[in-house]
Amino acid sequence: AQKVTQAQTEISVVEKEDVTLDCVYETRDTTYYLFWYKQPPSGELVFLIRRNSFDEQNEISGRYSWNFQKSTSSFNFTITASQVVDSAVYFCALLSQKAAGNKLTFGGGTRVLVKP
Amino acid sequence: DTGVSQNPRHKITKRGQNVTFRCDPISEHNRLYWYRQTLGQGPEFLTYFQNEAQLEKSRLLSDRFSAERPKGSFSTLEIQRTEQGDSAMYLCASSTLTGGTDNEQFFGPGTRLTVL
Repeated sequence: AQKVTQAQTEISVVEKEDVTLDCVYETRDTTYYLFWYKQPPSGELVFLIRRNSFDEQNEISGRYSWNFQKSTSSFNFTITASQVVDSAVYFCALLSQKAAGNKLTFGGGTRVLVKP
Repeated sequence: DTGVSQNPRHKITKRGQNVTFRCDPISEHNRLYWYRQTLGQGPEFLTYFQNEAQLEKSRLLSDRFSAERPKGSFSTLEIQRTEQGDSAMYLCASSTLTGGTDNEQFFGPGTRLTVL
């Protein structure tokens, strides 16, 4: 069975602070993919990143960075110098290559509130 | 706009009525997914199509739910005899397959269903 846990339900920061979102996953499969999506107040899920289980290299994209550690089954997401526009709910998701239906298994989400 | 589109964006209905939602995926995407998201939760997988074939259905998809993708392009999700517990956001996503690897799923804006 696949499971994704986002222990932080809500994080509130002041603009320009860094914020790190935790994601822990469970799967028995050796080949899988991890994702982060952003859901702003408008409701549409916006794709941010995909990593496969064989690539543990950390990635940076602008103010966003991701830390993938297979040893701890974690795929954490950091927003550096946060901005008000970063306010949204962020979801971590898992797709196992063997999962029926190619379905994404989502965590419960972390709401990020960036105050000016 | 070349993204995933969904109609209607909002639907309010009375308990016991039937409703139908439509999803138009990104044109070159052969895979289409339906998810359901309740307030404060992550999306949950409902069903999946590859072209016109429905290949997987979740246990969440009761007999009152039916999904079709008649020509492998747009899809419809029908709920018969709606219940208050059906109130949720219904999300559609699409993706492609490249070299045997499922690419990231792109989501539409969702249809918010309220059953009174």
